[in-house]
Amino acid sequence: ETGVTQTPRHLVMGMTNKKSLKCEQHLGHNAMYWYKQSAKKPLELMFVYNFKEQTENNSVPSRFSPECPNSSHLFLHLHTLQPEDSALYLCASSQAGGSVFYEQYFGPGTRLTVT
Amino acid sequence: AQKITQTQPGMFVQEKEAVTLDCTYDTSDPSYGLFWYKQPSSGEMIFLIYQGSYDQQNATEGRYSLNFQKARKSANLVISASQLGDSAMYFCAMREETGANNLFFGTGTRLTVIP
Repeated sequence: ETGVTQTPRHLVMGMTNKKSLKCEQHLGHNAMYWYKQSAKKPLELMFVYNFKEQTENNSVPSRFSPECPNSSHLFLHLHTLQPEDSALYLCASSQAGGSVFYEQYFGPGTRLTVT
Repeated sequence: AQKITQTQPGMFVQEKEAVTLDCTYDTSDPSYGLFWYKQPSSGEMIFLIYQGSYDQQNATEGRYSLNFQKARKSANLVISASQLGDSAMYFCAMREETGANNLFFGTGTRLTVIP
């Protein structure tokens, strides 16, 4: 596989469930990101990992828990979510170091619906 | 204040014509990068073009060009010879040198190419 892959592509879960989103990048990058895309709102950066270390957590509720076991894999663990958490969750990767020149490459996203 | 403003929620263009999608930005950093992404209905964000704040010339990538007017803080995307496959959401984004992990997105413009 090439690029950035995400599984599952669609997920429906109840508010008491626990599930995980998975992201994998095959680009040799060292930075990975989770974004939330809600209808009619700009993409919101949730978490950033550089060389497996979390460097950004943009005031995300604790019901979202990221995990980055290595530079190629990123998970988002979900538990006791709320209906307003329904959104498209996008994973991205880039070269690390925070340079303004580094574009981010995105996966296809996971469409999450919380019932 | 919004970092990225896209004032056109929707645009229509005739096939084979050119179209300009507007983007203005707000930053006090001297060094920043500007990006345009395309998001088809499948959900994946596709990187199109990049412009650095110190670049003297406007960026071009195939049918895409970026009309960069630094004094006006605008970075409009121009798509020439529109094709039906260009129908998608288009997002302008900015990365600042300070806090360069954060990629700020606008709310997007939905482009529809008419046959």
